[in-house]
Amino acid sequence: DAKTTQPNSMESNEEEPVHLPCNHSTISGTDYIHWYRQLPSQGPEYVIHGLTSNVNNRMASLAIAEDRKSSTLILHRATLRDAAVYYCILSPGGVQTGANNLFFGTGTRLTVIP
Amino acid sequence: NAGVTQTPKFQVLKTGQSMTLQCAQDMNHNSMYWYRQDPGMGLRLIYYSASEGTTDKGEVPNGYNVSRLNKREFSLRLESAAPSQTSVYFCASSEAPGGWNTEAFFGQGTRLTVV
Repeated sequence: DAKTTQPNSMESNEEEPVHLPCNHSTISGTDYIHWYRQLPSQGPEYVIHGLTSNVNNRMASLAIAEDRKSSTLILHRATLRDAAVYYCILSPGGVQTGANNLFFGTGTRLTVIP
Repeated sequence: NAGVTQTPKFQVLKTGQSMTLQCAQDMNHNSMYWYRQDPGMGLRLIYYSASEGTTDKGEVPNGYNVSRLNKREFSLRLESAAPSQTSVYFCASSEAPGGWNTEAFFGQGTRLTVV
């Protein structure tokens, strides 16, 4: 099963950009890269996902390395509400029944300093 | 728009008791999932349903059973609760049949304590 490696914790000052790294050296050519975050006492919340190209949405940007063995979630201006655990997850592409190989890991706990 | 609704939000059981955790989604999604999260840990997949009428085991299925009652509802049953099943349980759904290529939506969780 393709898995990811993330730092246990990171800190950022409020209103500054945050770059959250993720290594996935065993990624296959059809694996999607997903990012979810979990605020305290809540269920995980979708942030962004991509396959090969960099992606932007209203919440964040996803920068994917050319060899796809790493990616970076970019929060352009951290707010106190962004304090959460961020999970980088790989999922097989296409219609498949392999949901049992999805692996959340322990994620990166982001602390935002006022 | 309710999204994914889990009931109950909190539950305390005695060892050996049984209970069913309910999950319903109103987004017409094909896939539904049950996860558990222990303190300081990531989520682990218990069971999933790739489409109505199908269910499959995840990483930690022992001690649990599931039912995909219809497209909207996916329940998780503990037949004989054990203290090791003390955890927070999350239900999730996604549009893609059997896949995670689209956004998944999670419920707010059920905090279960087995004493």
